[in-house]
Amino acid sequence: QVHMVESGGGVVQPGRSLRLSCVVSGFALSDYSMHWVRQVPGKGLEWVAFISYDVRNKFYRDSVKGRFTISRDSSKDAVFLHMDSLRSDDTGVYFCAREDGDAFDLWGQGTTVTVSS
Amino acid sequence: QSALTQPRSVSGSPGQSVTISCTGSSSDIGGYNFVSWYQQRPGGAPKLVIYDVNKRPSGVPDRFSGSKSGNAASLTISGLQGQDEGDYYCCSYGGKYTYVFGTGTKVTVL
Repeated sequence: QVHMVESGGGVVQPGRSLRLSCVVSGFALSDYSMHWVRQVPGKGLEWVAFISYDVRNKFYRDSVKGRFTISRDSSKDAVFLHMDSLRSDDTGVYFCAREDGDAFDLWGQGTTVTVSS
Repeated sequence: QSALTQPRSVSGSPGQSVTISCTGSSSDIGGYNFVSWYQQRPGGAPKLVIYDVNKRPSGVPDRFSGSKSGNAASLTISGLQGQDEGDYYCCSYGGKYTYVFGTGTKVTVL
């Protein structure tokens, strides 16, 4: 059964760092490009970052460029999001999402990040 | 990377049809046939219900249908059922491996 589980969220002060993990099971991670999508409390979804199946391409939304880094380790069946210089507007639930043909066909349950002093 | 525009809420009685609009620009919806729609129930993760404008994943009822015209897309739910309640988000490819989501629409079954 295909499954994705995020972890690593928590409460952190502005300016600090956090690393999120997304461990997958039931499919070969190396076959898929992966994304991180976040949801601001009480609001909508916001695409954050992309990493291609072969790791050659990585792209970010403008507001996180230079602060967030997406990576993956197929030997660990995991995708990561390293977040530096966190700001209050980074607060939200972070989902990892599997891409299949330009749509997100599989989602994890999300991990909550709260940036607050 | 501006969010696509959706109505805040739509509602209908069981058995009726509702349509959710999603307005973007030539840089996203108008430029690509890669529009997808997601259903999110309270406390849950989003679930894909339409991809590539009008295709349904396996297991999604044919009551769900999608379309696109110019810079706008829409999702229609026919034969509305109580289990269709939730938030719905459109999403479009925006070029250079980026994506943009809609503002979200709350569907209420009266």
